[in-house]
Amino acid sequence: DAGITQSPRHKVTETGTPVTLRCHQTENHRYMYWYRQDPGHGLRLIHYSYGVKDTDKGEVSDGYSVSRSKTEDFLLTLESATSSQTSVYFCAIRGTASSYEQYFGPGTRLTVT
Amino acid sequence: AQRVTQPEKLLSVFKGAPVELKCNYSYSGSPELFWYVQYSRQRLQLLLRHISRESIKGFTADLNKGETSFHLKKPFAQEEDSAMYYCAFRDDKIIFGKGTRLHILP
Repeated sequence: DAGITQSPRHKVTETGTPVTLRCHQTENHRYMYWYRQDPGHGLRLIHYSYGVKDTDKGEVSDGYSVSRSKTEDFLLTLESATSSQTSVYFCAIRGTASSYEQYFGPGTRLTVT
Repeated sequence: AQRVTQPEKLLSVFKGAPVELKCNYSYSGSPELFWYVQYSRQRLQLLLRHISRESIKGFTADLNKGETSFHLKKPFAQEEDSAMYYCAFRDDKIIFGKGTRLHILP
């Protein structure tokens, strides 16, 4: 599992509240990614990081922010959760600098009511 | 623009029958393509990538540049193959298709 964990694994929150999801890795990988998985849309990239304090937007970044203050942690924040952000969120790391193979965390199921 | 297309949302195949999951891409150069699989209640995992030309769990995929395809094939389906399959394409990042759910019928 490439030492990737996500917390929490499940969360229910109300519309308008901020939510932070955490991705933690133990193998010092440089590249980390946040995706959301939705039926009919597959996996869509939200944000990614290519090093400490280096992040960039993905395909569906509106309403999300990220931070990476340490190599091992990549945080995804929903500033003000909306029902459209109900989804399963996956964190991933890139295995090596030369390969684009990705290894995924177990996922976080977020429900916004 | 959609770079990776998986035309089937759901594919049902009888156990023992051949399986083909379709993937088409749009790219003019030499692409790097992958197949990922997600079994029920498990995380996504890499199944295979075209560069390594390997066979994993009996699955193979050949890059056809003329048809811009990277279809995933297995000659004899097994019940444990039931899962969600994603084709992925490397641009400056990995771009995933929308996925195909493979259902193996007993």
